[in-house]
Amino acid sequence: ETGVTQTPRHLVMGMTNKKSLKCEQHLGHNAMYWYKQSAKKPLELMFVYNFKEQTENNSVPSRFSPECPNSSHLFLHLHTLQPEDSALYLCASSQGGQGFGDTQYFGPGTRLTVL
Amino acid sequence: DQQVKQNSPSLSVQEGRISILNCDYTNSMFDYFLWYKKYPAEGPTFLISISSIKDKNEDGRFTVFLNKSAKHLSLHIVPSQPGDSAVYFCAAMGYGGATNKLIFGTGTLLAVQP
Repeated sequence: ETGVTQTPRHLVMGMTNKKSLKCEQHLGHNAMYWYKQSAKKPLELMFVYNFKEQTENNSVPSRFSPECPNSSHLFLHLHTLQPEDSALYLCASSQGGQGFGDTQYFGPGTRLTVL
Repeated sequence: DQQVKQNSPSLSVQEGRISILNCDYTNSMFDYFLWYKKYPAEGPTFLISISSIKDKNEDGRFTVFLNKSAKHLSLHIVPSQPGDSAVYFCAAMGYGGATNKLIFGTGTLLAVQP
């Protein structure tokens, strides 16, 4: 596997379910990100991890819970979601740190539908 | 409050011609700019970037121009090919801090007609 991978690619869940999204990067990067893309809206940053430490939580509701066990893996745990949480969830990674020009590379995304 | 704006939601161009995609930003602290391309059901793919110390960066058929005084950047694709048909996002980043945070525009759908 190369680049950034995400599983599952599609997920349908009820409002009472608990599920997790998984992201893995094979680029040797130190920073990982979760984004949400809703229809007709720009990509919205949700969470950032630098060297496994969470450095950004963009006012995300607590029904979304990230986990970064190591620099290569990132999870997004979902519980009691709302239909308006249906969106494309994208994971990205970058070299990280405070270097200039830190380009982010994206995975293919998970299309989430909440019924 | 949209800090990065792509005012054209769509653009149609003939194959072989030039495609010009535009992006405006409001935050003068942005100093690194990127263009991504996105096909349906896929994640954005990094295309090209430019730092604020330059006004032009070229990579094959893709050239990005930056006009700092106007807070404007553009992506030129020459010649355009049908495979270039996708949504193009510009993104901006400010240097420093604990997080290198990318701010994205809403995207422009490019259709290249054969």
